[in-house]
Amino acid sequence: DGGITQSPKYLFRKEGQNVTLSCEQNLNHDAMYWYRQDPGQGLRLIYYSQIVNDFQKGDIAEGYSVSREKKESFPLTVTSAQKNPTAFYLCATREGRPGANVLTFGAGSRLTVL
Amino acid sequence: AQRVTQPEKLLSVFKGAPVELKCNYSYSGSPELFWYVQYSRQRLQLLLRHISRESIKGFTADLNKGETSFHLKKPFAQEEDSAMYYCAVVGTYKYIFGTGTRLKVLA
Repeated sequence: DGGITQSPKYLFRKEGQNVTLSCEQNLNHDAMYWYRQDPGQGLRLIYYSQIVNDFQKGDIAEGYSVSREKKESFPLTVTSAQKNPTAFYLCATREGRPGANVLTFGAGSRLTVL
Repeated sequence: AQRVTQPEKLLSVFKGAPVELKCNYSYSGSPELFWYVQYSRQRLQLLLRHISRESIKGFTADLNKGETSFHLKKPFAQEEDSAMYYCAVVGTYKYIFGTGTRLKVLA
């Protein structure tokens, strides 16, 4: 495993609890992304960050929060406000230089709400 | 609206048969198009990007701006091609993915 580390790989949560998914990268990439992958729905963007201390909402940000205090780290918190949090979560990174549009993905974290 | 459409959820072909995975997009401006692939138990990874104009693992994809399509093709499918394929379009920093097509290559 090189580049992007997501943890935990599997996580179980009770309803009403917040959980935080970790994404760490050593690629020195500027931009980081969180996607949610559900069967039949593809990848949907939750949040993204182009630089440290800045992030933007994606298409399905409600019930999620992020921070980008360090270039290497982009943790995602799934709050109790997220109505259907059981899903596979993917973190991705992209170089900052213009035209560098290829995404590199982590191995993912599977969250199950009991 | 910006959108990527992959009309087939599942595509089954026999080994050695031609494969075409369809992708249509709706995007204003000049987007860049990609195909990403996810093999079983592996990470999602880049397969092709339209600006490279390369053939990867025997796959090619041509951008047709008139039809706003970026279909993925391979003349002779192999069993190891079985995977989930996603078409994606990117504008300024934002990526839009299709819903994916699962390709099953039968022996």
